[in-house]
Amino acid sequence: RKEVEQDPGPFNVPEGATVAFNCTYSNSASQSFFWYRQDCRKEPKLLMSVYSSGNEDGRFTAQLNRASQYISLLIRDSKLSDSATYLCVVNTYNNAGNMLTFGGGTRLMVKP
Amino acid sequence: NAGVTQTPKFQVLKTGQSMTLQCAQDMNHEYMSWYRQDPGMGLRLIHYSVGAGITDQGEVPNGYNVSRSTTEDFPLRLLSAAPSQTSVYFCASSDQIQGEQYFGPGTRLTVT
Repeated sequence: RKEVEQDPGPFNVPEGATVAFNCTYSNSASQSFFWYRQDCRKEPKLLMSVYSSGNEDGRFTAQLNRASQYISLLIRDSKLSDSATYLCVVNTYNNAGNMLTFGGGTRLMVKP
Repeated sequence: NAGVTQTPKFQVLKTGQSMTLQCAQDMNHEYMSWYRQDPGMGLRLIHYSVGAGITDQGEVPNGYNVSRSTTEDFPLRLLSAAPSQTSVYFCASSDQIQGEQYFGPGTRLTVT
């Protein structure tokens, strides 16, 4: 089982739609969680951190469910410019050290 | 600030050749890392460094060497290239492991 799993998609949605992605992680000791955005043939960039109480940044809402070990990203009022791959990232600190683990990414395509 | 820079952008190697991928950052970050990205696999950590003179192995270190003689530079050396090393390589830096990772633009490597 992969440590961080995401549905690869693609999610094809019309402009203005609301879309949600989930990401599951296997290590219950994981401490920090993030969503990164990666445009085609570009480097990943931080979209937002995910806090225990949930957090919102404009049209984007991230939530964490520690009991079920998943995080989610909700995008409201999708724009064409939201088309990208969204990477779930989990930070775990254990005997091997402090390490970030990336999910395989979920591809979103927003259509006019 | 240039951020994180990587050279070259593209490289084709023959099996058995060696080469060094360059990475530099001008943000005075202590933490630097190298990832490879393959389709459907997410980013996988190759090596990382928590400061000048300190390096450690990540998830997939075999076939790669790193050194960190200065805070700014973190080169990745391929010792004897193999077709399995065909991938996109990203260098990243941050002020702490669990902080925002700043990625370079990537190096697309093909080994024939």
